[in-house]
Amino acid sequence: AQTVTQSQPEMSVQEAETVTLSCTYDTSENNYYLFWYKQPPSRQMILVIRQEAYKQQNATENRFSVNFQKAAKSFSLKISDSQLGDTAMYFCAQQTGANNLFFGTGTRLTVIP
Amino acid sequence: EAGVAQSPRYKIIEKRQSVAFWCNPISGHATLYWYQQILGQGPKLLIQFQNNGVVDDSQLPKDRFSAERLKGVDSTLKIQPAKLEDSAVYLCASSFSTGSADTQYFGPGTRLTVL
Repeated sequence: AQTVTQSQPEMSVQEAETVTLSCTYDTSENNYYLFWYKQPPSRQMILVIRQEAYKQQNATENRFSVNFQKAAKSFSLKISDSQLGDTAMYFCAQQTGANNLFFGTGTRLTVIP
Repeated sequence: EAGVAQSPRYKIIEKRQSVAFWCNPISGHATLYWYQQILGQGPKLLIQFQNNGVVDDSQLPKDRFSAERLKGVDSTLKIQPAKLEDSAVYLCASSFSTGSADTQYFGPGTRLTVL
C-alpha cells in the first residue's frame, strides 16, 4: 500500500531565509513519481516540483529544489530565499503508473516578514 | 490557456439534501479526476475518468455519490443524500493523458458544508 508521511504539521521561516520540508513515502513499485504541491488560502493546488524515481539527479525549479533519497524513501523540499507569497500548505504526493496521486497530510508554511 | 473551472465555489446544505458540483477541465485534457479534501487532510481520489469512461472509482461511496462525464469534457459530481461527514472541499483536476504520470492541474475547488 502507498503511504506518504509529512511529519511537520506547521513550520515558519523568516523572509529571505531557507526552509526544508520533510516527506517520506512507501511503495512497492519501482517506477513512480513524486511531487510537491502548494495550496494557498485560495485553495488552488499548484504544482511546485516533480521528480521521476528513475532519475538520480535532484529536480530544481528556481528557488525550489528537492533532496531525493530513493533508498531511504525520502523526498524533502528546500525553499531558498523565502518570499511572503510562499505562505501556503505544502503537500507531498506520490504517483504510480495508474496516475492516482496519493497525498500526505500537508505542512503549513508561514513566511514571516 | 484557461485553467480547470469549477462551480459553485461554496455550497451550504442540510443533511439528507442533494448537491451537484460541476467541472470543466483544461481544453484537450482526456483525463479528469475528482478529489475530496477533508479539513486538515490531503486530497483523496474519488473517481478518475479517461474521456467518458471510468478508470478508477474504488474510493467513491457509490451508495450516495455519483459522477458522470457524458461527452468526455465536462463532469458532474453528485451527492444524494448528503451526510455531515461529506463536509469537505471537492477538487477537480485534469491531465493530458494517463501516460507517463502527466501533471495534474487543479481547479479552485468547491467548499461544501453540510449542516
